[in-house]
Amino acid sequence: AQKVTQAQTEISVVEKEDVTLDCVYETRDTTYYLFWYKQPPSGELVFLIRRNSFDEQNEISGRYSWNFQKSTSSFNFTITASQVVDSAVYFCALSGKTQGGSEKLVFGKGMKLTVNP
Amino acid sequence: DAGVTQSPTHLIKTRGQHVTLRCSPISGHKSVSWYQQVLGQGPQFIFQYYEKEERGRGNFPDRFSARQFPNYSSELNVNALLLGDSALYLCASSSEGGIWQYFGPGTRLTVT
Repeated sequence: AQKVTQAQTEISVVEKEDVTLDCVYETRDTTYYLFWYKQPPSGELVFLIRRNSFDEQNEISGRYSWNFQKSTSSFNFTITASQVVDSAVYFCALSGKTQGGSEKLVFGKGMKLTVNP
Repeated sequence: DAGVTQSPTHLIKTRGQHVTLRCSPISGHKSVSWYQQVLGQGPQFIFQYYEKEERGRGNFPDRFSARQFPNYSSELNVNALLLGDSALYLCASSSEGGIWQYFGPGTRLTVT
């Protein structure tokens, strides 16, 4: 079975600080995907990034960057120069198979980020 | 194109009642998944339907059921509501039950 652990439950930073969100996962699948989602107070899950298990290249996209390390089963996410609008709950998720062979997402418990002006 | 839509937005029910939540996927998508998000937790997978057939079921009691219609919209039904069923119910659509899942705004259910 798949499992996602987000050890941090809540982080508070001041605007313009960099913040890294940690994610550790467990899976027996050889091929899988990892995701980060943002959930603002409105409740809708907003897709941020996706990475597949074959691609450990770390990238930067605007103020977002991620560090995928298969050897330690970690998929950390960094927001550079945080802004008040980044305040939200952030979820790390892992793909898994349903009994019928389709895909489902397994989420961590989430980490609440508060960016103060 | 419209995204995933869910109705109603909010709902208040009493213990023991039954509830039906509705979801319309993105046009062209044939798969719908349902997730339950209890306050302070991450979403948990409940069901997935593809082409009107159940493709997966999470660890939820038989009080939870779902179906998918010929137009690919879906209903989630919960019988004999418990206080613990209070949650945000999220629907996600994908083209063929794949990993690109697009989430709707959710239905917030409160059971009193």
